[in-house]
Formats: sequence, C-alpha cells, structure tokens
Amino acid sequence: GQNIDQPTEMTATEGAIVQINCTYQTSGFNGLFWYQQHAGEAPTFLSYNVLDGLEEKGRFSSFLSRSKGYSYLLLKELQMKDSASYLCAVSDSNYQLIWGAGTKLIIKP
Amino acid sequence: GAVVSQHPSRVICKSGTSVKIECRSLDFQATTMFWYRQFPKKSLMLMATSNEGSKATYEQGVEKDKFLINHASLTLSTLTVTSAHPEDSSFYICSAADRVTEAFFGQGTRLTVV
Repeated sequence: GQNIDQPTEMTATEGAIVQINCTYQTSGFNGLFWYQQHAGEAPTFLSYNVLDGLEEKGRFSSFLSRSKGYSYLLLKELQMKDSASYLCAVSDSNYQLIWGAGTKLIIKP
Repeated sequence: GAVVSQHPSRVICKSGTSVKIECRSLDFQATTMFWYRQFPKKSLMLMATSNEGSKATYEQGVEKDKFLINHASLTLSTLTVTSAHPEDSSFYICSAADRVTEAFFGQGTRLTVV
C-alpha cells in the first residue's frame, strides 16, 4: 500500500531551527511537495522536489533522497507565524497526490 | 504564483438542501482539478479528480450522486453537495493543476449543515 509518515507534533523555540521529516512508500514517484496549513485555511505550497538534494527558498529548505524514500523540511530563524501544520505529499505514478497526516509545529517564545 | 479562487469561503445551509462550491483558476488553464475534504485534525482526503470536459474520477467510498462535480471549462470546476446532512459539514478544498509539478489550492469552503 501507499504510505506517508511524518511526526504528529513538534515544538520549537522562536529563532531556532527545526527539521520536519517525511518518509514515504508509494507506487511510483513524480515528486514530493511540502505545504503549510494554518488552522481553518487551505494549504499553501512551500516546495517541490523531484531530484535528490536540497532546495533552498529563503528561510525554508527541502531535501529529498529518493533511494531512501525520505524528505525533510528545514525551517530556520523560526517566527511565531510559522506555527502551523506542515503537510508532506507525494505525487505517485498517476500524478495523484498521496498526503501525510501533517505535522503540527508549535513555536514557543 | 498562480491563483485559484474558491467561493464561497463559508456557507451554512439547512439539512436537505444543496450547496454549490466553485473553484476557478484565475490566471492559468487548469486541465485537472482536485476536490478534497478535510475533517478536523485529519489530513486532506481526496474526493475526486476532474479533467476538463470529462467525467470526474471519484475515490473509493465517495458517493458520486451526492457530490456532483462539473469541470465544464479550463478555468472552472464546481462541487455540488446534494441533499446535505450534518455529517457533510466539513472543510472542502479544491486545487488546480496546470502541469504536474505544482498544484495550487483554493482558499477552502467551510460548510456547516444545520
């Protein structure tokens, strides 16, 4: 079956760095997405990785290892507004998005 | 980035009535649109995938006659919740794809059935 795993909840301190991991097992792979979702709002696109390596975009970076079925989202210089759920999703062989359950990130002052 | 507009953002309806939710891609042609449902504290659940001009493909367990999807043009898809019941209360989100590398989401619709 298809499966996406990510931690349920993480806590970090304002100004610090946090890494949210995602492991996946899917039928085929056409890229991995990270989305940010604030409570009551639709998800917002953060990043897309289809090749191995690190993609940096401002304070956010995303890493992919296809051989390990593994990705992480790295958030630097954490701000209170980064408190949200972070969703990992994989595009499978049919280009359908398979979603993880999301990681709730709590930022403390 | 691309913009997807979903309307309405919130709707309250009486049990037994129907509600239509619109999803528009404002600055690109969306050949594929996806409709999701999200329960509290749960991940997004894909309900159906629609391609312009053809019938939607529904996920297992999603009632086609209850959740009517129409994708009549490259910029508009609609989801109609027919004969709504309180258990249909949820957050409904659409997303539109112009190519396979990115999917842009609408703002979501909070449906409350009373």
